[in-house]
Order: sequence, then C-alpha cells, then structure tokens
Amino acid sequence: GAGVSQTPSNKVTEKGKYVELRCDPISGHTALYWYRQSLGQGPEFLIYFQGTGAADDSGLPNDRFFAVRPEGSVSTLKIQRTERGDSAVYLCASSLTSGYPQETQYFGPGTRLLVL
Amino acid sequence: TQLLEQSPQFLSIQEGENLTVYCNSSSVFSSLQWYRQEPGEGPVLLVTVVTGGEVKKLKRLTFQFGDARKDSSLHITAAQPGDTGLYLCAGKDYTGANSKLTFGKGITLSVRP
Repeated sequence: GAGVSQTPSNKVTEKGKYVELRCDPISGHTALYWYRQSLGQGPEFLIYFQGTGAADDSGLPNDRFFAVRPEGSVSTLKIQRTERGDSAVYLCASSLTSGYPQETQYFGPGTRLLVL
Repeated sequence: TQLLEQSPQFLSIQEGENLTVYCNSSSVFSSLQWYRQEPGEGPVLLVTVVTGGEVKKLKRLTFQFGDARKDSSLHITAAQPGDTGLYLCAGKDYTGANSKLTFGKGITLSVRP
C-alpha cells in the first residue's frame, strides 16, 4: 500500500518568500505529525494533528509557521517570510491512532527546503 | 525539556565486527523507539520497547530498554555494509498524553566491506 507522501521533494526559495509544504498521510490514519530535521540533527517536533484539529503545536518555532489539516487527511505546512535558518528537511509522519506507547509513526521522505 | 543523548556520534567499523551504541536520558519515557534513516529518506522504525528491562531481537540487532525506562542500547552482531546508516532513538512522553516523539541527534554508522 501507499506510504506517506510529501510534495515537493525539494524546494528552493528566496529569503522573505512564502512556501507551502504538503503531506499525504497513509489512508485511514487519524494522527499526523510534522517534524523538522536540520543537518546533523535528529528530527524536531513541530505540530501534531488528531483529525482536523491541532492537538499540540508547541514545537512551532514562531508565528511565521502555521499548519492546517482541514478535512482530516492531507496537511499543509505554511511558512511565511522565510529566513535562511528555516532551511532544513521537513518530515511528515502519520499513525493509525495516537496516545499509545506502542504506536508506530510512519514517516514520509521529507521536503528539503533551502532558503537563499 | 526532555533530552536524549546518543553515543557515540560517529562509528566506523569493519564488516563482521560487533558494536553497541547507547541512548541516554535523565527523563522517563513511556516507550522508546529506534529508527534507521538512509540519506534522502525518512526514518524507518526498527523496534519499540515499552517495559523496563525489556530486550527485543531483530535478526542481528538486539535492543534493550533500561530498568528505569530512561536509557536504551542497540547491539549489532557481525555488522554488514547494509547496516550502514543513521540510527535514531526517540522517546515518547511518560504521561502518554502527548504523542510527540523526542529524538536524539543520531549515530552515524559506517560498516566497511
């Protein structure tokens, strides 16, 4: 079956521009997560959706970052006024449920964002 | 803030050697997971350990969760070039109310033929 897909796979933009990153989770998965992975680091949590609502957005670095999941499936991460420090791989993951220790999160291949 | 420290950060060994790497924290986790990540791909789950003292085996890989649920180790027997990759450990919050994973920085393993 299809895994988590993310588009675009690569995005190059200029400082100050607006970008949108898309995530298609595994069909039927109610939980969706966004992480950011900088070079030489492990993934860092950004936001978690349960259904359509953001259950935890404590990892969003500032108000330039926003994410939506209007129909409880596809999610879009939006970054306004991009800065060079936003350059990273943005990973999306989904899981069937949430809140259980054994829950498995399935990761997509990521979107590599480069802000010039 | 919960932190996971992984060691060593880099490891280069010869095919056939054994190795053990570590994931340590001062915090208690409800579960701990190990992932492997290849260049250009997302992390792929290897194992989840939940019970303190738990040992799980996956072919040549042996994972152990510390008794206090704060640390874990990964032992690879007779490493092969196909084991090369970034190994990440990730903990889930003890309260279970928060589903986010806290990742360590990872261990870059290179196995030379």
